[in-house]
Formats: sequence, C-alpha cells, structure tokens
Amino acid sequence: AQSVTQLGSHVSVSEGALVLLRCNYSSSVPPYLFWYVQYPNQGLQLLLKYTSAATLVKGINGFEAEFKKSETSFHLTKPSAHMSDAAEYFCAVGGAGGTSYGKLTFGQGTILTVHP
Amino acid sequence: GAVVSQHPSWVICKSGTSVKIECRSLDFQATTMFWYRQFPKQSLMLMATSNEGSKATYEQGVEKDKFLINHASLTLSTLTVTSAHPEDSSFYICSARNPTVNTEAFFGQGTRLTVV
Repeated sequence: AQSVTQLGSHVSVSEGALVLLRCNYSSSVPPYLFWYVQYPNQGLQLLLKYTSAATLVKGINGFEAEFKKSETSFHLTKPSAHMSDAAEYFCAVGGAGGTSYGKLTFGQGTILTVHP
Repeated sequence: GAVVSQHPSWVICKSGTSVKIECRSLDFQATTMFWYRQFPKQSLMLMATSNEGSKATYEQGVEKDKFLINHASLTLSTLTVTSAHPEDSSFYICSARNPTVNTEAFFGQGTRLTVV
C-alpha cells in the first residue's frame, strides 16, 4: 500500500522568496516519487521525478526535490518564487517498475500563492 | 515523445444521458492506461486501470457498470459515464504507460464533465 501526505494545503510566499512544499510518503515497496503542477482547469505537468537514481532531483522551472529515505520525504523547493509559479502542486507516489509503474497515489495538493 | 490526448476537453450533458471520453496515445502504444477523477478542490483519485484486450480493473468503490472502460486498441481507451447525474460532474484525467519509458505514465489534458 502507498500513501502521500502533503503538509499544508495552502502556502503563500512573496515573489523572490524560497518556495518549500512538503511531501511525506509511505510505501511498502521502493517508491518512485513525482511532483506535478496543475493550473486551473488544466491537466498535470510533470515537474520532476525520483526513480532511484540521484536523491537530489532537478526539474523544470528551477524546481528541485530531495529524496530522503530515512525521513520518507520528498520536499519540493525553488530558491526564488515567480508570480507564474502560482498553481496547485501535487506529490505522487508510484511503484518502482514491474506491473505497478505508472499507477499513482496522489497527495491532497498544495495551492501555492505568490505575492508581489 | 510521449503524447497523450484526451477528447473532449469539456462536455456538458443532461442528467440521465451517457458521455464518452477518449484517451489516445499519439506516438506510442499503450497496453495500460489509467483513469483518474478529480472533484473540485480535491486531489486525483484513481478510478481504474485499463488493459488492452482485457477487462479493466476498478478501484474499490468505483461502480464498473456506471463507468464503462473499453481499451480495444493499443492507442485508445474510452471511459463512458452512463446515466450521468450531477454528482458525476468532475474532472476526468487519463494517463498511459509508454513501455519504452518504464518510470512513469503520461497524462492527458483532462476532460471537464458537467452534468445538468
């Protein structure tokens, strides 16, 4: 069984400030972990993914995340927020290969607001 | 590439009618596709796993007779919401496995269903 908990349903930052979105996971098998961004009434865009290679993963638009097995965390960060980063972010966990890959369990989502 | 297209992007239907949503993998063959549902201001919940040439596997609590899934070819899965009611109004998103990229599935842009 797998589950994801995103701490904080809403996060508000000032433009230029650090963005930190928290994600903790639970998985009975080695996990693949993902961060997606969703703009209103749109689909999901993949920001980055962890698939058992490097624990520090760099993604698009300046985002990165670090896989910490001991803490079962996969927090998303960006050094300097832009107004265009305002959106909803979802952390997701999936199985690592075999017949389970691609099947995702999503967190509750975090809405990021960026103030001028 | 790994492009997944969903059609339609949005649909409004009358209560009691049926609606079909298509999910196509445009540049790869997908033996497995997934259907998710997202209620307003909520996360994505997996509804079912669609397997080409066989019956879909539904998640607990999803009515298979109401949400008919057909995966008749390697590039097309369809979700039919039968006898739709206002409570079926939601955002439906599909994803598809690309066998050459065995770390993730690729998402369509979603379909906004409104039942009036």
